[in-house]
Amino acid sequence: KQEVTQIPAALSVPEGENLVLNCSFTDSAIYNLQWFRQDPGKGLTSLLLIQSSQREQTSGRLNASLDKSSGRSTLYIAASQPGDSATYLCAVRGSQGNLIFGKGTKLSVKP
Amino acid sequence: DAGVIQSPRHEVTEMGQEVTLRCKPISGHNSLFWYRQTMMRGLELLIYFNNNVPIDDSGMPEDRFSAKMPNASFSTLKIQPSEPRDSAVYFCASSLRGGGARETQYFGPGTRLLVL
Repeated sequence: KQEVTQIPAALSVPEGENLVLNCSFTDSAIYNLQWFRQDPGKGLTSLLLIQSSQREQTSGRLNASLDKSSGRSTLYIAASQPGDSATYLCAVRGSQGNLIFGKGTKLSVKP
Repeated sequence: DAGVIQSPRHEVTEMGQEVTLRCKPISGHNSLFWYRQTMMRGLELLIYFNNNVPIDDSGMPEDRFSAKMPNASFSTLKIQPSEPRDSAVYFCASSLRGGGARETQYFGPGTRLLVL
């Protein structure tokens, strides 16, 4: 059974710092891996999707990497801003199309 | 496109009452997913449909929960009778199946359910 773990559970950094969020999964047979952002009281917004054949994806200040063999992904946020404060969720997609989520990392960027 | 639409956004009810959550997926999407989010367990898949047919309901906690998708533009998740432990945020998501490894799910804003 696929399990997804995110470390740390919470992270607080000063504005301007570069930071890395970690995600690990137990079964490497995945179709893709996605990083989502969730703001308090809101739904999920997809940030980046990495296909199983890819190693990384970039969007603006965000860069996500995928190492299927080791069951790991990282989300790198450059030059963090207070507006980046949110919970970041990692999810892997299995062959049936369903997503399996980690419990998220709650990020706080202090001005 | 308006995105995935869920109603109601908030629901407060008393234990034993029936609760019905509604979802309208993005037009043209052929897969629909119901998730539940709690602090303890995070986001969990309850059930998903492909072309209006339930594919996997193994995440449905018990017989008190039921879901239907009578057509491609509407789905319901019903809890009868409701219990305090059902309090959670319920999300609906939709996707266009067939995208392979590029397929992504689009989430609605969620329904916050509180059972007293």
